[in-house]
Amino acid sequence: GENVEQHPSTLSVQEGDSAVIKCTYSDSASNYFPWYKQELGKGPQLIIDIRSNVGEKKDQRIAVTLNKTAKHFSLHITETQPEDSAVYFCAASTGTASKLTFGTGTRLQVTL
Amino acid sequence: DTEVTQTPKHLVMGMTNKKSLKCEQHMGHRAMYWYKQKAKKPPELMFVYSYEKLSINESVPSRFSPECPNSSLLNLHLHALQPEDSALYLCASSHAPDRDEAFFGQGTRLTVV
Repeated sequence: GENVEQHPSTLSVQEGDSAVIKCTYSDSASNYFPWYKQELGKGPQLIIDIRSNVGEKKDQRIAVTLNKTAKHFSLHITETQPEDSAVYFCAASTGTASKLTFGTGTRLQVTL
Repeated sequence: DTEVTQTPKHLVMGMTNKKSLKCEQHMGHRAMYWYKQKAKKPPELMFVYSYEKLSINESVPSRFSPECPNSSLLNLHLHALQPEDSALYLCASSHAPDRDEAFFGQGTRLTVV
C-alpha cells in the first residue's frame, strides 16, 4: 500500500518568514495530494490540494509543488502569521477519499 | 459551504455505557467516513459509507457500530468501550465514493473512564 513520509515533524519560524513542509510518497499510482491544517481541538481543514497533472498550485500565501518523478510534494507558506500555527498533514490518494494515506504531521509554530 | 457538523463536541462515558456520536452534512455528499485520531497522530480510517451503504470496515471492533439513516446523517454507536478508545473521532464526507476531496468535521473528543 501507499506510504507517505512527512518532514520535519516540528518547525518553528518567526512571523513573516517562510515555512516549507515536505512529503514523499511511495505509490506511483497516487494522483491526488491534499494538505490539511489542524488547529488545536479542531478537525483537519483542507487548505490546498494538487493533482498529478499539475506541477504547482498557489492560493494567496500558500503554494504546493509536486515532483512526480521524485515522488515529492511540498507545502510552502510565505509571510507566516501567528494564526498559521497548527499541525499540517499531507496526504496522498489513488483517486478516492477512502484511499487517503496521511503523513505523520508537522507542528508549525510561528513566533512573534 | 463545506461544513460537516459533529455532535457532541466532547463526551465522557463509562465502560458500561452506551452512547452515540452524530454527524450531519447538507452538501449533498454521498460518501461519509468515520476516522479515529489519537494525540499527535494522523487520522485513521474506520468506516466508509457509500450511498448510505457500508462499503469499508477497517477491521474495527464490534463495540463500534456505524449507522447511516439517510444521505445527510451518519451515526457511530458506542458500547462497552475501553479506555484506549479515548480519542478524537472525526467524520468526513466527499461528493461521491469515487471522488477524492474529503471534508472533515470538528470532531468529538471522547474520553472513556
